[in-house]
Amino acid sequence: EAGVAQSPRYKIIEKRQSVAFWCNPISGHATLYWYQQILGQGPKLLIQFQNNGVVDDSQLPKDRFSAERLKGVDSTLKIQPAKLEDSAVYLCASSLDRAGTQYFGPGTRLLVL
Amino acid sequence: EDQVTQSPEALRLQEGESSSLNCSYTVSGLRGLFWYRQDPGKGPEFLFTLYSAGEEKEKERLKATLTKKESFLHITAPKPEDSATYLCAVGTSGAGSYQLTFGKGTKLSVIP
Repeated sequence: EAGVAQSPRYKIIEKRQSVAFWCNPISGHATLYWYQQILGQGPKLLIQFQNNGVVDDSQLPKDRFSAERLKGVDSTLKIQPAKLEDSAVYLCASSLDRAGTQYFGPGTRLLVL
Repeated sequence: EDQVTQSPEALRLQEGESSSLNCSYTVSGLRGLFWYRQDPGKGPEFLFTLYSAGEEKEKERLKATLTKKESFLHITAPKPEDSATYLCAVGTSGAGSYQLTFGKGTKLSVIP
């Protein structure tokens, strides 16, 4: 069974630029999550989708971050404009349903200069 | 606010030297305690889920246990390939969502 796929794996941008990350979850998984992991910390949930609807985006900085999950499968996370403190690993995870085990992708490492 | 504290932050063991990692939590309504392993440059890899006090699960050299306030990950006779960061997370539900809150992790180094 294929795991969660993410791209790109690495991205370096200047502050105030925009960036987008892509995630393809495990086939059949209805719930998709985006996490931010700062160096030395555990992952922190940014947004959770159930199919193509948002379930929880309470920790998403909505002035600069946006996310969508069209057709209930792939998802994109966008940052515009980026700040230095956005440097982190962005992890995508998926689960069969809302309370199911979450399986993570390899992450996208973002460096904002 | 849900809180998860892992200790120690870092642990160095000789190969074959057994030890335990601790995860203490304060949550309102636990809906699962999760252990993940994370290798450098990779995403977290699922290990175990525990749901009730007294529950235990094992996988190779790892055994996870759960009480009402904490969980332990016991590592028996570790090998260098067990070196990784071990993350603990608690699951809670509310307002239609199910959320994991992670600790900062314990970085384990097993020396040959």
